[in-house]
Amino acid sequence: QKEVEQNSGPLSVPEGAIASLNCTYSDRGSQSFFWYRQYSGKSPELIMSIYSNGDKEDGRFTAQLNKASQYVSLLIRDSQPSDSATYLCAVNDYKLSFGAGTTVTVRA
Amino acid sequence: NAGVTQTPKFQVLKTGQSMTLQCAQDMNHNSMYWYRQDPGMGLRLIYYSASEGTTDKGEVPNGYNVSRLNKREFSLRLESAAPSQTSVYFCASSSGQGAVDIQYFGAGTRLSVL
Repeated sequence: QKEVEQNSGPLSVPEGAIASLNCTYSDRGSQSFFWYRQYSGKSPELIMSIYSNGDKEDGRFTAQLNKASQYVSLLIRDSQPSDSATYLCAVNDYKLSFGAGTTVTVRA
Repeated sequence: NAGVTQTPKFQVLKTGQSMTLQCAQDMNHNSMYWYRQDPGMGLRLIYYSASEGTTDKGEVPNGYNVSRLNKREFSLRLESAAPSQTSVYFCASSSGQGAVDIQYFGAGTRLSVL
């Protein structure tokens, strides 16, 4: 079983809508969780980190963590065309493990 | 402040050729990493260096060697390139401070092995 699983996508949302990205992980001992954004042909850049159960908001982005369910999600509110990218979920136990990514396209 | 710098940006090799990918960071980070990224497979760890003087295998180390030259520099060597090593390679660095350890990535090297 892959350590970090993401909904495969691609995910197409209209401009202004909410994009919802999901990620599950297998290691119950994982302590920290990250969402990276990767534009086509570019390197990953960190957009959110979360370490405790619950929600963490940063601008239009909200990360949600549920350690009991081994689940982390990312919500993008008021989606903009500039949000079109691949979003990588990453989970840190003794090393950082990445999911395969979900590609989001925001339709104008 | 350049962050993480990788060279070269693009490279084409023939099967059996060797080459070294260079990575340098200017953030005084302890830990450095090499990943490869293939379509649909996310980022896979090749090797990492938790601190100067140490290196460890990651998920896909076969066919690669690394050198942590000093705190700033971490190189990845392909001794005899194979078409299966065609990929995008990313170097990353982090402070190495426990669970709150954010990795910062270089721009990547796009490698084709013919």
